[in-house]
Amino acid sequence: GAGVSQSPSNKVTEKGKDVELRCDPISGHTALYWYRQSLGQGLEFLIYFQGNSAPDKSGLPSDRFSAERTGGSVSTLTIQRTQQEDSAVYLCASSLGGQGYGYTFGSGTRLTVV
Amino acid sequence: KQEVTQIPAALSVPEGENLVLNCSFTDSAIYNLQWFRQDPGKGLTSLLLIQSSQREQTSGRLNASLDKSSGRSTLYIAASQPGDSATYLCAVRPRDSNYQLIWGAGTKLIIKP
Repeated sequence: GAGVSQSPSNKVTEKGKDVELRCDPISGHTALYWYRQSLGQGLEFLIYFQGNSAPDKSGLPSDRFSAERTGGSVSTLTIQRTQQEDSAVYLCASSLGGQGYGYTFGSGTRLTVV
Repeated sequence: KQEVTQIPAALSVPEGENLVLNCSFTDSAIYNLQWFRQDPGKGLTSLLLIQSSQREQTSGRLNASLDKSSGRSTLYIAASQPGDSATYLCAVRPRDSNYQLIWGAGTKLIIKP
């Protein structure tokens, strides 16, 4: 597609429920990144995909967080048993695979856990 | 360890002024530097990407420079408008990492009508 698409744009969920956040990167972008931004805070790196593989999952906050990417395209970030501290904007970015390329971000998913 | 600093943290100027935002980094071994803007509660919009071999990039009223040897980049905004109000972030892609960006904390810019 023309840009990075994230859905839903907003999600309100009850504490303890599972949520799935979706990212559709720019066509042909082999690298995909998930970040989290809590209110008034900076960007927190979560996970990086190269193709369908995730060489670095070190940023995932806990084992309640998981992510997958299929077909070298769409990625899903799943949060199980959501907690109030999971409330944040979840941002996805993609780039071409080489080191010289920049990131393109989606508009984010605002997650609110009540 | 690469560190990125943005000064000032916040800036408020009248509409029409030209202004400069600063970004400094501690290690010159980078692939590139990218400037983004972020509107409140929104995602990031890429403004300019400067490769390590380049000195500057321009897009419309925006001009970004890069002095790798001194570890500095500036974002120049000409004839500022209220619509330019946003947080501006710079990020470097270090050579010792094949994917991670190192982020500055941002400059919150307010353009007063």
